[in-house]
Amino acid sequence: EVKLVESGGGLVQPGRSLKLSCAASGFSFNDYWMGWVRQAPGKGLEWIGEINQDSSTINYTPSLKDKFTISRDNAQNTLYLQMSKLGSEDTAIYYCAREIYYYSGDLYYFDYWGQGVMVTVSS
Amino acid sequence: DIQMTQSPSSLPASLGERVTISCRASQGISNNLNWYQQKPDGTIKPLIYYTSNLQSGVPSRFSGSGSGTDYSLTISSLEPEDFAMYYCQQDASFPNTFGAGTKLELK
Repeated sequence: EVKLVESGGGLVQPGRSLKLSCAASGFSFNDYWMGWVRQAPGKGLEWIGEINQDSSTINYTPSLKDKFTISRDNAQNTLYLQMSKLGSEDTAIYYCAREIYYYSGDLYYFDYWGQGVMVTVSS
Repeated sequence: DIQMTQSPSSLPASLGERVTISCRASQGISNNLNWYQQKPDGTIKPLIYYTSNLQSGVPSRFSGSGSGTDYSLTISSLEPEDFAMYYCQQDASFPNTFGAGTKLELK
């Protein structure tokens, strides 16, 4: 069974940093692209970014590129999201998700999602 | 960035009813369109990928169609478990973007 479990969330002061983790199990982690998506309270989903299997390609949404860093440790089956210079606008539930490639359409989509972890930025 | 406009934002409907949710892209996305369902507890799962392909395990009452800039998700006969939020997502260009969501509510 595929499982993705996020951790590391909580209350953080504005301007500080926080690192989220996503522990993966039930599949061969190093065979898949992985991504992060967030959802501010009462809002829709926002794509943060993605990382390929060997970390050689990492894509970000431009507005977050200077604040967030995605990484992975294939030996530990873990995905990370390092967040810096946090502001109130970063208060959200953060989801990690596995990406799967659909060859016929040359398209990726998220086929498994974690349950999410809450990050609250407040003084 | 490609903007994804979903409509309606809220959709009251009854059990057994057929409903359609629309998603319009600000430019052509060549069928690179996915649909997701989010339950009230936050659980998210894929429904449709590449416009019309049904994700494994998803009931056949769900279907997707569209081309160019206009896409839709149809549920042929609503079941109790279908009342949830629905999001479209484009994978045609970076950054991938989601629609604002459609809340499917029991009338």
